Amino acid sequence: QAGLTQPPSVSKGLRETATLTCTGNSYNVASQGATWLQQHQGHPPKLLSYRNNNRPSGISERFSASRSGNTASLTITGLQPEDEADYFCSAWDTSLSDQVFGGGTKLTVL
Amino acid sequence: QVQLHESGPGLVKPSETLSLTCTVSGASISRSSSYWGWIRQPPGKGLEWIGSVYSSGDTYYSPSLKSRVTVSADMSKNQFSLEVHSVTAADTAVYYCAKTGVEMDYWGQGTLVTVSS
Repeated sequence: QAGLTQPPSVSKGLRETATLTCTGNSYNVASQGATWLQQHQGHPPKLLSYRNNNRPSGISERFSASRSGNTASLTITGLQPEDEADYFCSAWDTSLSDQVFGGGTKLTVL
Repeated sequence: QVQLHESGPGLVKPSETLSLTCTVSGASISRSSSYWGWIRQPPGKGLEWIGSVYSSGDTYYSPSLKSRVTVSADMSKNQFSLEVHSVTAADTAVYYCAKTGVEMDYWGQGTLVTVSS
């Protein structure tokens, strides 16, 4: 069972903007920040953002993350076909002493 | 360029022990001040953290798996390992070794481990 809550699926059109959400609580997202991962079918996850909005080198500026209270968000602008993937959020939970994940959101680019 | 590679049996019998090793190249697990660990993904499902070892050798485990899991490191070989004891079909998953913690920027390709008699 997932520790963080993500919508199972989001569909958007080519070149549109998608905002994916990840809801936790005061022990994880709100206090520790969220990490966002992208996973294409058959491949390992890829880091997109950590501590809410730190992007590793090589990650497009089209990906931006933010947090408001217990909810973290990942915004993808100018959607491209290659953005179609599963997106997972994660955070350290200080109450559980556990690295918790969301169940993942499948992004479809129409 | 940091690379991680998982190795170990792809088939384990129920009640036995699943053992995997991750070999790291391009970074020193003992000098990186980082967490190195294991994350698994059952077929068609989400990600689950199993446990990690810090550069100091300290280990950390998911509370839900702690009683059955051992993570260890061989700093001299730049490797870290996973043991899951008393496996059942529910342990069937792709097992990834990765740099864990906040900045999960390095992952192995993953190895499918099936628990079946």
